[in-house]
Amino acid sequence: NAGVTQTPKFQVLKTGQSMTLQCAQDMNHEYMSWYRQDPGMGLRLIHYSVGAGITDQGEVPNGYNVSRSTTEDFPLRLLSAAPSQTSVYFCASSYIGQRDEKLFFGSGTQLSVL
Amino acid sequence: GDSVTQMEGPVTLSEEAFLTINCTYTATGYPSLFWYVQYPGEGLQLLLKATKADDKGSNKGFEATYRKETTSFHLEKGSVQVSDSAVYFCALGGFYNQGGKLIFGQGTELSVKP
Repeated sequence: NAGVTQTPKFQVLKTGQSMTLQCAQDMNHEYMSWYRQDPGMGLRLIHYSVGAGITDQGEVPNGYNVSRSTTEDFPLRLLSAAPSQTSVYFCASSYIGQRDEKLFFGSGTQLSVL
Repeated sequence: GDSVTQMEGPVTLSEEAFLTINCTYTATGYPSLFWYVQYPGEGLQLLLKATKADDKGSNKGFEATYRKETTSFHLEKGSVQVSDSAVYFCALGGFYNQGGKLIFGQGTELSVKP
């Protein structure tokens, strides 16, 4: 039971570098999302998708891009990393349809931008 | 906009003590309410949920009642254990056709001492 798989688990970048955080789920979930977790601020929604080819912005989208070419994958791209993007990133997925859908989370990616 | 406010932590209790973590929300419409728990080094997992006013969610000895009149969803447990040490997040969801999209509170860290 793989569930939601995130890679890498840890990453250190220099300011200005680019990278892609990978997220894959094997539950055929329509909904996928990316959150960042910062001390004292909870989890804040970056981007989300309700199906292949459909993406939308969350609360803190600036500096991040996403695409959804397949149901299974939802990569998060940092085009030019900044120290303010140092955080723990979580991918999460769920079905669409009920008002109380359970979100399934990956184990997170800890990113440091120097 | 929609938001969730939790009591600040950390909360430190002795084993078998009574736990209350306060959560209040602001929302348009009729949201669903959730408690998620994050154990050290892991992603979040659903603890309990409620979809309408006066519903009580319960799981693993934890309970929370959806109070529309006070816009609250406080988490309670009668007797905590060391294994309950974790970060607890209150969240608001139930957005139409947006699957598991959630707005989280800032999280409350609970530490239970033997």
